[in-house]
Formats: sequence, C-alpha cells, structure tokens
Amino acid sequence: GAGVSQTPSNKVTEKGKYVELRCDPISGHTALYWYRQSLGQGPEFLIYFQGTGAADDSGLPNDRFFAVRPEGSVSTLKIQRTERGDSAVYLCASSPDSGGSDEQFFGPGTRLTVL
Amino acid sequence: QKEVEQNSGPLSVPEGAIASLNCTYSDRGSQSFFWYRQYSGKSPELIMSIYSNGDKEDGRFTAQLNKASQYVSLLIRDSQPSDSATYLCAVNTPAGYQKVTFGTGTKLQVIP
Repeated sequence: GAGVSQTPSNKVTEKGKYVELRCDPISGHTALYWYRQSLGQGPEFLIYFQGTGAADDSGLPNDRFFAVRPEGSVSTLKIQRTERGDSAVYLCASSPDSGGSDEQFFGPGTRLTVL
Repeated sequence: QKEVEQNSGPLSVPEGAIASLNCTYSDRGSQSFFWYRQYSGKSPELIMSIYSNGDKEDGRFTAQLNKASQYVSLLIRDSQPSDSATYLCAVNTPAGYQKVTFGTGTKLQVIP
C-alpha cells in the first residue's frame, strides 16, 4: 500500500511549547525509526522501535524528547519545552525487519521550526 | 574520527559520464551498507543495499564494498541531470545492529 506518512508536514511553534509529531509506517513493517536532519547533515538517529517497545533510544538528545508506539504501528515523537536548537526536519522510517539489519524506507518528514 | 565519512562535494560530472561516490566507515564490525539519494527538500530514498564484499549492480547503479579497507562506493553510469542530488552513505552499527549511521552526504551535479 502507501508509503510512510508523517504529519504535520510543517510545524511552527514558540520556544517552550510542546509538540507532537506523528508517523504512520508502511503496513506490516515491525521496525520504526525516528531521525533528525539539520541542513547540510545526514539524518541523525534518535530512536528505534521493534513492535511496541523502544529497542534503542540512545539517540534521543535529552529527556525533553520522548517517543511512543503503543499499538506497534503509529508512533508519536513528543518534544517538551522546545528550544530553537530543536529546529530541524524530523524523519520517520520503517522496515519489515524481523531481527536483522534491513532496508529502511523514509517518510516525507516534518519540518519543525521553533521561534 | 567520524563513524561514516563522505566528501561533501559538490562532485560535478558531465552528462553521460560515470559518477563515483565514496564512503569510508570506522567500525570494522559493520555488516550492512546502504546508499540513499536525497533531492533538495525531499526525504532520503533507498537506492542500493550491499552486505558482501564485491560489486552489486542494479541498472545504472553499482555498489562496491571492501570490508578490509572499510570502504564502500557507488558508481552511476551514464549520469543524467536527474541524478543531481545528495547521496547519503549509511552503515549499521554492530553494537545495536538496527541503528544506522549516516554520512553527511555528497552532492552530485550532472552537467547537461
């Protein structure tokens, strides 16, 4: 079916506000990843879910960032007390992975701007 | 030392020529290697994956892997202006094998 979808496509917020970014993976894909990409840089790993659990959250920069995937499908990345340095494109990817490293397919991203 | 290194470019090649993009990585235990293409303002699109030493061909694209030298490359034959984009090299990290580290990308410009 459809590819990875992300909403919103753009989000402008003020410093200190709370934001939620949503990712809907490819149907049947068990693995889901969040990345952050700044201008001129490659995607930076944030967190990886296998099913409902966060298998690796070592890329989350601090405790203002949190992500959930309660039913093993849609995931939400939550950022509290946003800072201007959080401005970036947040990318979500999914893969059909069943235990080994596998190809990841990206959504269109959410451009977050913190004023 | 960066985990995945790429020359940022831009790499300029004439239309019809072969474009050669290179990537080195630091972790000898890495097992999976990927090339993504990213057009300006768009998200990365998977082009090739390679897991074994040697060459892997798909249409005009050939990925080459040399684990002993910790080197992976992407060749684009008969380059077209539509190939102009940033090419990202990505490598898995063995400690957390699902975690993939990206290079900063090489910008390719194909001149008509």
